[in-house]
Amino acid sequence: SAVISQKPSRDICQRGTSLTIQCQVDSQVTMMFWYRQQPGQSLTLIATANQGSEATYESGFVIDKFPISRPNLTFSTLTVSNMSPEDSSIYLCSVESSGLAEFTDTQYFGPGTRLTVL
Amino acid sequence: AQSVAQPEDQVNVAEGNPLTVKCTYSVSGNPYLFWYVQYPNRGLQFLLKYITGDNLVKGSYGFEAEFNKSQTSFHLKKPSALVSDSALYFCAVRDIRAGTALIFGKGTTLSVSS
Repeated sequence: SAVISQKPSRDICQRGTSLTIQCQVDSQVTMMFWYRQQPGQSLTLIATANQGSEATYESGFVIDKFPISRPNLTFSTLTVSNMSPEDSSIYLCSVESSGLAEFTDTQYFGPGTRLTVL
Repeated sequence: AQSVAQPEDQVNVAEGNPLTVKCTYSVSGNPYLFWYVQYPNRGLQFLLKYITGDNLVKGSYGFEAEFNKSQTSFHLKKPSALVSDSALYFCAVRDIRAGTALIFGKGTTLSVSS
């Protein structure tokens, strides 16, 4: 089955700085998503990363705060900009693909990036 | 609006006993339903899904779930719990008419004692 990796796995950052999280899949996928899991909370979708075009953001999330790139069908980045302690969360990428039977209609998640902002 | 409810924050069972983790949902159309498990300091792992067909769905690690349309439920079950099943379980729903966004429940912590 496909392998989804994220870098870094965790980081501790100072407020006001930015962090870029990478998500890599070892096979081409149709769709990539970014989620946030705040401490003790469930998962909330931040945006859908669209290959070759601007990401589609959910209500409450904006591009200036969470710029996303997706240069090809196997890679995406999420940047958390001008961080504050409220951004301390686990950030997860997920993938879904209509081309691969195992991925059809199902999202598979990376291991997550645990971010702490001081 | 679509939503998912997991009424129990925590479920405690003894090893070897059957377990049930409850999930109810609300969508306007036909739902796609999922269960994921999260172990400490790990990402989410897919367990099983219901799209269509047989209401009883079997998944990974001996888990199964039953789709009940009249009760709008999708409870996760396992006949005999293992200590290693202790983890955080999330139910999720996707409204196929609304697109691909997954809506997650708040999660249920399963604790299996030896």
